[in-house]
Amino acid sequence: DAMVIQNPRYQVTQFGKPVTLSCSQTLNHNVMYWYQQKSSQAPKLLFHYYDKDFNNEADTPDNFQSRRPNTSFCFLDIRSPGLGDAAMYLCATSRGTAANTEAFFGQGTRLTVV
Amino acid sequence: GESVGLHLPTLSVQEGDNSIINCAYSNSASDYFIWYKQESGKGPQFIIDIRSNMDKRQGQRVTVLLNKTVKHLSLQIAATQPGDSAVYFCAGVIYNFNKFYFGSGTKLNVKP
Repeated sequence: DAMVIQNPRYQVTQFGKPVTLSCSQTLNHNVMYWYQQKSSQAPKLLFHYYDKDFNNEADTPDNFQSRRPNTSFCFLDIRSPGLGDAAMYLCATSRGTAANTEAFFGQGTRLTVV
Repeated sequence: GESVGLHLPTLSVQEGDNSIINCAYSNSASDYFIWYKQESGKGPQFIIDIRSNMDKRQGQRVTVLLNKTVKHLSLQIAATQPGDSAVYFCAGVIYNFNKFYFGSGTKLNVKP
């Protein structure tokens, strides 16, 4: 049973056209993360939410935004996708407690920009 | 921020042999380290973790070793199988910031 679900699995968008990727979780975890992963590279943390508290990484471009309307859902908005934003986007969750910090990942959304 | 990196980008082993994947980290503030396995087109999957106050932890066919003196982490896979072929990442975790920082990954190829 999928616990972290990302939709869609594949997304094609036009250069400059806003796009939203979605993530939902059934784990009731406090923390939700968005990572960007380019080919043959490690996932790079963009930002995360601890409950409703948003935490942006210092080097995340303003072009990337996120929303978390409730515990279960988190969205990644790319306001004006460029060719360099083509990547796999991974959503992950964790309890956010010292006793259990494992992150559970979704299958990812592969974004193509044309 | 946390910096976690790997020594070897690609590792080829014969089926049945043991594999050792290495990782170096620069920030000793990490409380926790995790090894993830990522198969093509999929999200990372948890393999094993180790807290920073431990030196060794064993799982099923896998062992993680942590050497804080030299800031080095390794993943040992015993009797490597074709299903182990994937990219392996280590991640450092800092509790207070709820952040997971990933290393650059090692691709493991298991030859039958």
